[in-house]
Parts: sequence; C-alpha cells; structure tokens
Amino acid sequence: KAGVTQTPRYLIKTRGQQVTLSCSPISGHRSVSWYQQTPGQGLQFLFEYFSETQRNKGNFPGRFSGRQFSNSRSEMNVSTLELGDSALYLCASSTRQGSTEAFFGQGTRLTVV
Amino acid sequence: AQSVTQLGSHVSVSEGALVLLRCNYSSSVPPYLFWYVQYPNQGLQLLLKYTSAATLVKGINGFEAEFKKSETSFHLTKPSAHMSDAAEYFCAVIHTGTASKLTFGTGTRLQVTL
Repeated sequence: KAGVTQTPRYLIKTRGQQVTLSCSPISGHRSVSWYQQTPGQGLQFLFEYFSETQRNKGNFPGRFSGRQFSNSRSEMNVSTLELGDSALYLCASSTRQGSTEAFFGQGTRLTVV
Repeated sequence: AQSVTQLGSHVSVSEGALVLLRCNYSSSVPPYLFWYVQYPNQGLQLLLKYTSAATLVKGINGFEAEFKKSETSFHLTKPSAHMSDAAEYFCAVIHTGTASKLTFGTGTRLQVTL
C-alpha cells in the first residue's frame, strides 16, 4: 500500500511569487491535514480537509490556502511568498475526520529567496 | 487549549543505555497523546499513541510510554538505545471531540553515542 505522497520534495521560489504543493493521501483515506515545520516555530497546523471541505484551520494569514479534490488529493497554495515561509510543509492523511491516527508524507522543503 | 511540553531539546545517551524523553500535557479533559519520530529530511512516523485504553502503551522499535494522570505526563522510554534511534522525537496531543488537529511539542533531539 503506497504511503502519503508529496510533490515536489524540494522547491526554491522568489519572494513575491506563489507556490502550489500537492499531497496524495493513502488510498481510501479521506482526510488530509497540512502542517508547517520551521526551526523557530516548530510544527504548526495549517488546515484540514475532509470531503472537499475545509474542516479546521490554524492561525495563518489568508495567503495560505488549500483545497481538496474528489479523489481526496489535496493542494495547498501560498501566495505572495515571504522569506519566513521557508519551511518543511508536511501533509498527513487519515481515514476520516477525527481519526486518531495520521500518516505523514515526507514533506516538501520550500526555500524562499 | 490542549498543549504538550517537552523537557530537554537535546538528550544524549550511550548505545545500550536507557532512553527517557519527557513530555507533560495540559488538558482539562482526557487527551489523546502521541509520540512521533522524525529522521533527517523525512516526515513524521507514529511511534505510539494513548487513547484512554491501557496506560502503558507499547509502540514500534521497542519504545513504550506510560500515561500518568497524576503527573500529567506521557514520557517515552526504551530500555536499550541503538544508534538507529538517533532522530528527533515529538510529543503531540489532540483533544477528543475535535477534528484531527495535532498540537506538537517543540521536539527532543536524541543523540546516541558509542
């Protein structure tokens, strides 16, 4: 059974640009959550999607957005990139909303220059 | 709000020695607690979880953790460290009845020396 797949693994962008990251959950999993990991702030929850609807949102500015497709794949978008957006972005999938077990992908390392 | 505090950002042990990584939680109701491990340039892997069943939880790779309500603790232990255990470990909590939002501790980097 394939795990959570995040693409791309590494990304370099320039300040002011926008970026889209992709996450394919484990087959049969319908809930996808996104986290940002930085040395200064640690692991922080961005948002969760279930059945194509955002169910929960962390404390991030509106430049961070996401969506989920009917096949449960999810994308997150960051517009007007800032240097502080450089981070490892992790996606986690669960069988359903409220599941107590989340499986993480390997992450996308975003560097903003 | 639920939170976890990990004591010690770096822990160093000798190979074969006991591993003890500390985590204390703050929650007004019984929490669901987790330990995750992260190897360099990798995602997070679930080691074990406490979901109000047995207070002593056994996980993968020989790790276990004990939920102690009186001490609000959920410390991670392993009797004998192996070089391959060197990684960063995160304690996390979710509050029952909410969505699958994990709140993580700041992490403890475990170093294993010969």
